[in-house]
Amino acid sequence: NAGVTQTPKFRILKIGQSMTLQCTQDMNHNYMYWYRQDPGMGLKLIYYSVGAGITDKGEVPNGYNVSRSTTEDFPLRLELAAPSQTSVYFCASSPLLRSRAGEDTGELFFGEGSRLTVL
Amino acid sequence: GENVEQHPSTLSVQEGDSAVIKCTYSDSASNYFPWYKQELGKRPQLIIDIRSNVGEKKDQRIAVTLNKTAKHFSLHITETQPEDSAVYFCAHSGGSYIPTFGRGTSLIVHP
Repeated sequence: NAGVTQTPKFRILKIGQSMTLQCTQDMNHNYMYWYRQDPGMGLKLIYYSVGAGITDKGEVPNGYNVSRSTTEDFPLRLELAAPSQTSVYFCASSPLLRSRAGEDTGELFFGEGSRLTVL
Repeated sequence: GENVEQHPSTLSVQEGDSAVIKCTYSDSASNYFPWYKQELGKRPQLIIDIRSNVGEKKDQRIAVTLNKTAKHFSLHITETQPEDSAVYFCAHSGGSYIPTFGRGTSLIVHP
């Protein structure tokens, strides 16, 4: 299994340009996420999806869009890039575990990250 | 939503000392309590997790303890080594099943 694969690893954008960060997982996980991490800071949730066709906003969704047409893919779209979007972006996935106790999340598997610079 | 607070933000220890990082949470709906380690320039990776049917779990030099009454869980690292230097994150989902991460603890182990 490749796990979570995200591309590109590095990208420099000019202000106002658009781009898409690609994310694919081969573990058949229901849940997928996009986080951003600014230098020395924690992980902030941008968008998440609980299954194909379902997406929802996280803590910092402004300036981004997502789609989830398949279980495997969860691309993140940046429209009209701004310097404030300079960051490292991580895609992640996790299973939804079902047991006699009910449902709960499991381990998050992260992609290697995409370092985006907007100049 | 879920509120996860993590302390301290920075922890500096001498090699061989123990390190303890604590997280508090607000929503008891989720029974899953993971800790992630992020080395410089790398992705976060799970190092240990616990489910709330147990109070403690150990894996060699690391352990996680859980106090459901007080709503906190802690990461314990014994006999620290320079390669333990990294940022550590706790996470908890609450009823939404969407993980909220703590702000992270930068652990520095001095040789």
